[in-house]
Amino acid sequence: EVQLVESGGGLVQPGGSLRLSCAASGFTFSTYWMTWVRQSPGKGLEWVANIKPDGHGKYYVDSLKGRFTISRDNAKNSLYLEINSLRAEDTAIYYCARATVATAGTDWGQGTLVTVSS
Amino acid sequence: QSALTQPASVSGSPGQSITISCTGTSSDVGGYNYVSWCQQHPGKAPRLVVYDVTNRPSGVSNRFSGSKSGNTASLTISGLQAEDEADYYCISYTSSSTYVFGTGTKVTVL
Repeated sequence: EVQLVESGGGLVQPGGSLRLSCAASGFTFSTYWMTWVRQSPGKGLEWVANIKPDGHGKYYVDSLKGRFTISRDNAKNSLYLEINSLRAEDTAIYYCARATVATAGTDWGQGTLVTVSS
Repeated sequence: QSALTQPASVSGSPGQSITISCTGTSSDVGGYNYVSWCQQHPGKAPRLVVYDVTNRPSGVSNRFSGSKSGNTASLTISGLQAEDEADYYCISYTSSSTYVFGTGTKVTVL
């Protein structure tokens, strides 16, 4: 059974940084694309970034380029999202998802909540 | 990249069929057969119900079906059931090698 467990969310001050993690199990992590998607309170889903199986190809939504960095450690079956210069509008649930080259998310974690507030 | 356009809400009675549209451009929906749909119940994670325009993942009811014509994709739910009441989002691959979600549709079972 595919399992994705996000962690690392919490309350952060504006301007701060955060590193989200996603622990994967139940599949061969190193052979799958992985994705981050976020959802602001009461709003729709927003695709953030994805990363190739070998970690060498990374793609980001234009509006977030420069502040967000996706990475992975295939030896640890883990996906990461580093967010810098946090703003109030980054407040959201962040989901990790297993993906394919054609599908943004085939299996999803339960999400981790990031709240940016002073 | 602008969000794909979906109706804000669609409703139907139990047993009826409903269709949700998802309109994009030739740079996303119209350019690739890489449109998927996910279902999200309140407070829950999204769940994939259709991928590659018409395919259903294992375990998803055959009451869910997808199609595409030009720059518009559609999700049809037939034999509507109370458990289908949820938010639905389309997602498309884009010419920038990224993805874009639709604005989301709230399905209400009357």
